[in-house]
Amino acid sequence: IAGITQAPTSQILAAGRRMTLRCTQDMRHNAMYWYRQDLGLGLRLIHYSNTAGTTGKGEVPDGYSVSRANTDDFPLTLASAVPSQTSVYFCASSDEAGSTDTQYFGPGTRLTVL
Amino acid sequence: GQNIDQPTEMTATEGAIVQINCTYQTSGFNGLFWYQQHAGEAPTFLSYNVLDGLEEKGRFSSFLSRSKGYSYLLLKELQMKDSASYLCAVRDSNYQLIWGAGTKLIIKP
Repeated sequence: IAGITQAPTSQILAAGRRMTLRCTQDMRHNAMYWYRQDLGLGLRLIHYSNTAGTTGKGEVPDGYSVSRANTDDFPLTLASAVPSQTSVYFCASSDEAGSTDTQYFGPGTRLTVL
Repeated sequence: GQNIDQPTEMTATEGAIVQINCTYQTSGFNGLFWYQQHAGEAPTFLSYNVLDGLEEKGRFSSFLSRSKGYSYLLLKELQMKDSASYLCAVRDSNYQLIWGAGTKLIIKP
């Protein structure tokens, strides 16, 4: 593994179903993030974690939950999917090193809820 | 509210220079980022500005004026591979990134 991986790459899901999007990083970054990207809108933060064991809500957290049991993994769960959750989901991590704290992104998961 | 404004789309010619503008209104300022995103791919980091002035990195340069809430990304010697969306993001007082919707840059031969 090099960098950040996400799974699945894409998924079609029936409304009402539960779904977990997986995210794993091997850079030992403390902070991790989940964003959704919709056409015509900027990336919107769903949830974040500044360090293992802690999580926080972003701009659009409703309908989503996260956990951070260890440094490497940050899964995003949709408890009961709805069509408005159709989007591309990106996981990111940042190193907090120096003053830049640049975020690095995984390849994304394209989710369609029918 | 917090707001990042960028043009939706721009067109430029291969070999030319293009400037992509970004204006922002955020609660606090702790740095501005530019990312490149090719269609169907993840955003990748291009540049970071926290102090006023120009940061040059090869063919790409980024400028910041904090007093005007303004930044631009300058791309020189355009290549076809530069066709992508360019995302402006500002880190606010809560150290969260606020993202613009992105500027789709189309390069014509």
